[in-house]
Amino acid sequence: RKEVEQDPGPFNVPEGATVAFNCTYSNSASQSFFWYRQDCRKEPKLLMSVYSSGNEDGRFTAQLNRASQYISLLIRDSKLSDSATYLCVVTASGTYKYIFGTGTRLKVLA
Amino acid sequence: DTGVSQDPRHKITKRGQNVTFRCDPISEHNRLYWYRQTLGQGPEFLTYFQNEAQLEKSRLLSDRFSAERPKGSFSTLEIQRTEQGDSAMYLCASSLEGGTTEAFFGQGTRLTVV
Repeated sequence: RKEVEQDPGPFNVPEGATVAFNCTYSNSASQSFFWYRQDCRKEPKLLMSVYSSGNEDGRFTAQLNRASQYISLLIRDSKLSDSATYLCVVTASGTYKYIFGTGTRLKVLA
Repeated sequence: DTGVSQDPRHKITKRGQNVTFRCDPISEHNRLYWYRQTLGQGPEFLTYFQNEAQLEKSRLLSDRFSAERPKGSFSTLEIQRTEQGDSAMYLCASSLEGGTTEAFFGQGTRLTVV
């Protein structure tokens, strides 16, 4: 089983739609959680960190469920510019490496 | 530009040749990471350094791969006797100490082995 699992998609949604991605992780000792965004042929960039209480940044909401070992990302009012791959990232307690999921591709359609 | 810098951006090499990539992290970051990414996959961890100490290496990192960070600043990743399966994007990232801090990535070195 992969340490971090995501549905690779693609998710094709119309502009203005709400879309949600989930990610599961296998190591219950995972300590930090992030969503990164990666545009085609570019480097990954931090979208948002994920906190235990959940957090929101504009149209983006991230949530963490430690009991079920998953994190989620909700994008409201999708824009064409949201088209990208969204990478789920976790770090385990005692190690400082960032473990990436395969990414979920999102395409927002006009 | 004070971000993570990688050089070269692209490298085409013949099978069997050795290649070396360089990464310059953000100056105050003491952690430096190397990842490899192939099409349709997320970045795969290769190795990381805290200052000049190499603290962890992935099983993916065969003995043809070696990484150094001699003075705790820039790092090099060398691949000896390259194989076609080594073709990938090699990403370097750096971060501050502390498990909750984000990693900042360079633009990567795209390696093509022909």
